Amino acid sequence: GQNIDQPTEMTATEGAIVQINCTYQTSGFNGLFWYQQHAGEAPTFLSYNVLDGLEEKGRFSSFLSRSKGYSYLLLKELQMKDSASYLCAVPGNTGKLIFGQGTTLQVKP
Amino acid sequence: DAGVIQSPRHEVTEMGQEVTLRCKPISGHNSLFWYRQTMMRGLELLIYFNNNVPIDDSGMPEDRFSAKMPNASFSTLKIQPSEPRDSAVYFCASSLGGGRVTDTQYFGPGTRLTVL
Repeated sequence: GQNIDQPTEMTATEGAIVQINCTYQTSGFNGLFWYQQHAGEAPTFLSYNVLDGLEEKGRFSSFLSRSKGYSYLLLKELQMKDSASYLCAVPGNTGKLIFGQGTTLQVKP
Repeated sequence: DAGVIQSPRHEVTEMGQEVTLRCKPISGHNSLFWYRQTMMRGLELLIYFNNNVPIDDSGMPEDRFSAKMPNASFSTLKIQPSEPRDSAVYFCASSLGGGRVTDTQYFGPGTRLTVL
């Protein structure tokens, strides 16, 4: 089966850098997704990693270590609008996504 | 292009009533997913269709829940009878599909259901 762990909440300051961690256990690995969800809105796709290493996309980067069952999302130059929940997800064997509980990030001025 | 469309956006009903949620996936997408999100349980997959055929319904809570996809552009999730514990936000998502587990899923705006 699959199991995903993320911290529940994090707080950071505008302009700073924050790292949101995700550990997973899965019987078969088909990559890892990160989604962003603002309060009251739908989740939106941020990144997908299937190979080890860091992938950078503007202010957001995502890292994967398959051997450690570990990923993180790195947010640089934090802005107030980055306050949201960040969901880590792994695909199951039948094509469904298994989501973590999400990390609620609060960015303070 | 329009994204995933869901209706209604908000639904308030009384316990015991039938509730029908509707979803139109992104044109050309072959996979459709129904999720439920609550504070306690997070985002849970209820059922997943590929080419209009249900592939995995292991997340459907009980017989009160049913889902259909009569064609490639429409799906419904029905709760009959509804109970207060069904109160949640229900999301529909679609992806290109074709059996690829790694396709990005695109979510609709959700239906916020309140059962009194």
